[in-house]
Amino acid sequence: ELKVEQNPLFLSMQEGKNYTIYCNYSTTSDRLYWYRQDPGKSLESLFVLLSNGAVKQEGRLMASLDTKARLSTLHITAAVHDLSATYFCAAISGNEKLTFGTGTRLTIIP
Amino acid sequence: DVKVTQSSRYLVKRTGEKVFLECVQDMDHENMFWYRQDPGLGLRLIYFSYDVKMKEKGDIPEGYSVSREKKERFSLILESASTNQTSMYLCASWDRDGYNEQFFGPGTRLTVL
Repeated sequence: ELKVEQNPLFLSMQEGKNYTIYCNYSTTSDRLYWYRQDPGKSLESLFVLLSNGAVKQEGRLMASLDTKARLSTLHITAAVHDLSATYFCAAISGNEKLTFGTGTRLTIIP
Repeated sequence: DVKVTQSSRYLVKRTGEKVFLECVQDMDHENMFWYRQDPGLGLRLIYFSYDVKMKEKGDIPEGYSVSREKKERFSLILESASTNQTSMYLCASWDRDGYNEQFFGPGTRLTVL
């Protein structure tokens, strides 16, 4: 059974700093997804990582995938307040189901 | 613009009532999903469907059923609502042949009194 773990669960960081959110998954997965959720809102797709070594960047966010280590990271560069949200990663099992991590609540402090 | 819509943003029901949550997507996607989201537990899959009239149990199907009579519509049914079904319910759809993300609806916050 595929399990997905994120850490940290809560992250409070100052504006301008860099940090990384980690996503580990337990069994082979071909794809890894990152989503953002603002309070009271639905999930917004950030990245889809399709292969080992994949790296994608959008603004101050960069995601990478290491399928051998079963690890994906979401790196935040020079954080700004607008990035405050909950971030979820999700991996896919063979039967087309996504399994989500429990999320990382990120708070950017001025 | 890609759209997944859900019938209600907020819903309040009483214990024992039958509850219908509707989800409609306009992207001609084969796969549709129902999740519930609870604090500290992330998103948990209730049911999914990969075609009309087809359904598969997810991780927490107990107390729920689903219906998919048309490709664009996927309904979640609580036969007899209970207080532990108070939650945020999210519908999503997905193009099976693509490698893109799942698209989520805005969510329905259900409170069962």
